[in-house]
Amino acid sequence: QQQVKQSPQSLIVQKGGISIINCAYENTAFDYFPWYQQFPGKGPALLIAIRPDVSEKKEGRFTISFNKSAKQFSLHIMDSQPGDSATYFCAARTSGTYKYIFGTGTRLKVLA
Amino acid sequence: DGGITQSPKYLFRKEGQNVTLSCEQNLNHDAMYWYRQDPGQGLRLIYYSQIVNDFQKGDIAEGYSVSREKKESFPLTVTSAQKNPTAFYLCASSIGWGSYNEQFFGPGTRLTVL
Repeated sequence: QQQVKQSPQSLIVQKGGISIINCAYENTAFDYFPWYQQFPGKGPALLIAIRPDVSEKKEGRFTISFNKSAKQFSLHIMDSQPGDSATYFCAARTSGTYKYIFGTGTRLKVLA
Repeated sequence: DGGITQSPKYLFRKEGQNVTLSCEQNLNHDAMYWYRQDPGQGLRLIYYSQIVNDFQKGDIAEGYSVSREKKESFPLTVTSAQKNPTAFYLCASSIGWGSYNEQFFGPGTRLTVL
């Protein structure tokens, strides 16, 4: 019940295309869902995050879609660029705790 | 510049040796965390600390130890009891209690056991 299942494991997209990464969870006590971007040899950096009372959040080319009833959330990268090539992690946190549960990551490659 | 520093960037250890990874933050954050990252397994929580002189075990604490004597420092010791210590170790910090406090990550330390 504490898992966050992330798919796909890897993704190849043409420049200008849309990249979509999905995550699913079981624990209804999760109240915060961030996405992190990680470049090789670096620490993850927060990209965008959403609360369950919002169905969509957009920041620039990055959008989170959240489906509370289905317990799923996804990251959409519009107009994908080669510089977006990185590993993306979804995460979830239970309200009132310090613990985040991370997905297993998606390695995105955007072809020039 | 505010941020989190980890040292060393690369660390090599012989089997049977204890090693200590450094993590320092100047963000004035109350909470600090240690994660282990292995290929295909995401980030797994080793230990976390909410305040000075207090810390809690995460999901994979066996073979590791920590201390939190200062707010800005949270060193991790990988002991000889850790059976498979080769991994990328990430330190993070966040403001503290309250909703949605964002975790900031350091650049990581790659530990290799020879």
